[in-house]
Amino acid sequence: QQPVQSPQAVILREGEDAVINCSSSKALYSVHWYRQKHGEAPVFLMILLKGGEQKGHDKISASFNEKKQQSSLYLTASQLSYSGTYFCGTESVGNQFYFGTGTSLTVIP
Amino acid sequence: DAGITQSPRHKVTETGTPVTLRCHQTENHRYMYWYRQDPGHGLRLIHYSYGVKDTDKGEVSDGYSVSRSKTEDFLLTLESATSSQTSVYFCAISEGVTTTGTETQYFGPGTRLLVL
Repeated sequence: QQPVQSPQAVILREGEDAVINCSSSKALYSVHWYRQKHGEAPVFLMILLKGGEQKGHDKISASFNEKKQQSSLYLTASQLSYSGTYFCGTESVGNQFYFGTGTSLTVIP
Repeated sequence: DAGITQSPRHKVTETGTPVTLRCHQTENHRYMYWYRQDPGHGLRLIHYSYGVKDTDKGEVSDGYSVSRSKTEDFLLTLESATSSQTSVYFCAISEGVTTTGTETQYFGPGTRLLVL
């Protein structure tokens, strides 16, 4: 029931773009995205709701494909501050909520 | 930042001893959660609470119990700690579940637990 994230890890140079995918085997009501910097607590980025509503955050945006039970997080023109581990959280029937295993993103100068 | 504190922040204990972790919030949020974070597994829900004295199990609840006697405090107890419970434990709070689903979760700073 835990959503699957891909890739597990990615290394980028400043200014490059990245896409992180989150896939579930269950029909989803919403997808949440969080970022966790090393040694810190996860921090909320955005929520995507059933119906295709897409909410962006600065140069980070996301999409939600309900039919495929997938969400993708798009990081555009990455900055050093984007480094961290990104988690998706998926909500399905009965308000069951699970976090994915995470994607480690490293941005280098 | 949401007002969430966890205590202790670090703890080393021995196998077989009881351990209690405390989560305290000042936001008056209805929902509180306990997660454990381990390499390769992400964040896994242990227990959660949807009100005072109202709790339910998560996906990895075996070996853990919780209590919530006040809105602001949520306790996680390891009755008899084992080495497999060595982990980083995060508390989270949210306003709850609305018509649009689970609301944003705000996380505490975490507790690093080492069971020898």
